[in-house]
Amino acid sequence: EAQVTQNPRYLITVTGKKLTVTCSQNMNHEYMSWYRQDPGLGLRQIYYSMNVEVTDKGDVPEGYKVSRKEKRNFPLILESPSPNQTSLYFCASSRDRGRANYGYTFGSGTRLTVV
Amino acid sequence: QKEVEQNSGPLSVPEGAIASLNCTYSDRGSQSFFWYRQYSGKSPELIMSIYSNGDKEDGRFTAQLNKASQYVSLLIRDSQPSDSATYLCAVKPGGFKTIFGAGTRLFVKA
Repeated sequence: EAQVTQNPRYLITVTGKKLTVTCSQNMNHEYMSWYRQDPGLGLRQIYYSMNVEVTDKGDVPEGYKVSRKEKRNFPLILESPSPNQTSLYFCASSRDRGRANYGYTFGSGTRLTVV
Repeated sequence: QKEVEQNSGPLSVPEGAIASLNCTYSDRGSQSFFWYRQYSGKSPELIMSIYSNGDKEDGRFTAQLNKASQYVSLLIRDSQPSDSATYLCAVKPGGFKTIFGAGTRLFVKA
């Protein structure tokens, strides 16, 4: 089954404790992205990756890091989480390539609470 | 002005009616437009994409694009209670980013 797998689904952590949210896709997609979803603000793009070793900032990258060492994996790293990073996070992938644009397949989401 | 705007709703329609969801965007150079459906507690699911002016139909769904007026809409014919969800409009301005609206909540009353 074609899918994007995120882990964990739920996470409660304390301020300042580094964490990683994993994301993996099995569709051989080149494009992957991370979004956060907050009430009233919708989905906001954190980082995206056009291919292995190619990443760029979205609209809200502060406090986050990403890496793309393999095509299928795109982890989101919070080096020092703060309460304002409490949110619902989605990983997504797409077969976008060059000027061709397609929609996303989303993971199931990770609900993060930072206390 | 937000880059992609949608009425937050809720929009309430009776079963069997047509639901009309609207979205406006600010970047005139935008090339690709998408509608996603998100059930409560679930992830967004792509239901329509449209790239050219005019209408695109897929089953009970019709997406309409007017680039001159910078709006895109989604019509749902013969609305069913199972269509009750939040509908997200998404726009690709031409680069690698995709910008989402905050979504419109739709309730279909049985």
